[in-house]
Amino acid sequence: QQQVKQSPQSLIVQKGGISIINCAYENTAFDYFPWYQQFPGKGPALLIAIRPDVSEKKEGRFTISFNKSAKQFSLHIMDSQPGDSATYFCAASLSHSGANNLFFGTGTRLTVIP
Amino acid sequence: DTGVSQDPRHKITKRGQNVTFRCDPISEHNRLYWYRQTLGQGPEFLTYFQNEAQLEKSRLLSDRFSAERPKGSFSTLEIQRTEQGDSAMYLCASSGRGSSGNTIYFGEGSWLTVV
Repeated sequence: QQQVKQSPQSLIVQKGGISIINCAYENTAFDYFPWYQQFPGKGPALLIAIRPDVSEKKEGRFTISFNKSAKQFSLHIMDSQPGDSATYFCAASLSHSGANNLFFGTGTRLTVIP
Repeated sequence: DTGVSQDPRHKITKRGQNVTFRCDPISEHNRLYWYRQTLGQGPEFLTYFQNEAQLEKSRLLSDRFSAERPKGSFSTLEIQRTEQGDSAMYLCASSGRGSSGNTIYFGEGSWLTVV
C-alpha cells in the first residue's frame, strides 16, 4: 500500500521554467512533509520540509504548497536550472514517531534542458 | 566530514554469500535507520535504532537480514545467503533528538549487486 503517491514520474523543463511535482497522502495523521533531492549514485538529501500548520514554505527557488483539506502537497522549483536535474522524492510522517514512519513517494526524475 | 558515512560503497557478491555493510552516523545522533532503495523507487524503511536498541523492524527485513548497533555508535547490516532480489542500494540515515528528530540525514548508500 503506497502511503504517498507522487506524480509525474518524470518531468522535462526548459531552463528558467517552473518545475511542479505533486504528492498526495491518505493518512490524515501525517504532520511532517519533507522533500528530498537525489543525484545519481548519491543518497537523498533533505531539500525543504513543511508542517501542516502553514500552507506554503519558501526557501530560495524552492516552494512547498500544502493543501490540508485535499491531502496534497507540491514542490515548485522556480527558474529551474540544469543543476536541478535530479530525482525528487516527497515523503510524509508522524513527527512524534520519528523517521521510522517516514513514507516516501516513488520519485520524480527532473531533467532541466539548457 | 561530519555526515553519515557508509562502507563499502559498492559490493558485488555471488548468490548465497554473506555481506555486511557498515554505517557511521552523524556524531551525537541517537537515532539510526536503514532503508533499502531499488531502481525507480523511493527508499523503504528496514529498521531503526535508538541508541543501541533496535526498536522496529520492517516486514521487508527477512530472517536473512540482521542489524546491530553496539554501544549506540556505528551500525552494521548483514545479509546472509544473499539472493538476486537483494540487489539494491542500502541507505543508512541518522537523526538527532527533539523536534528535529524527523530531519534525517542519509549517507551515500551502499550498492549491492548479487550475481
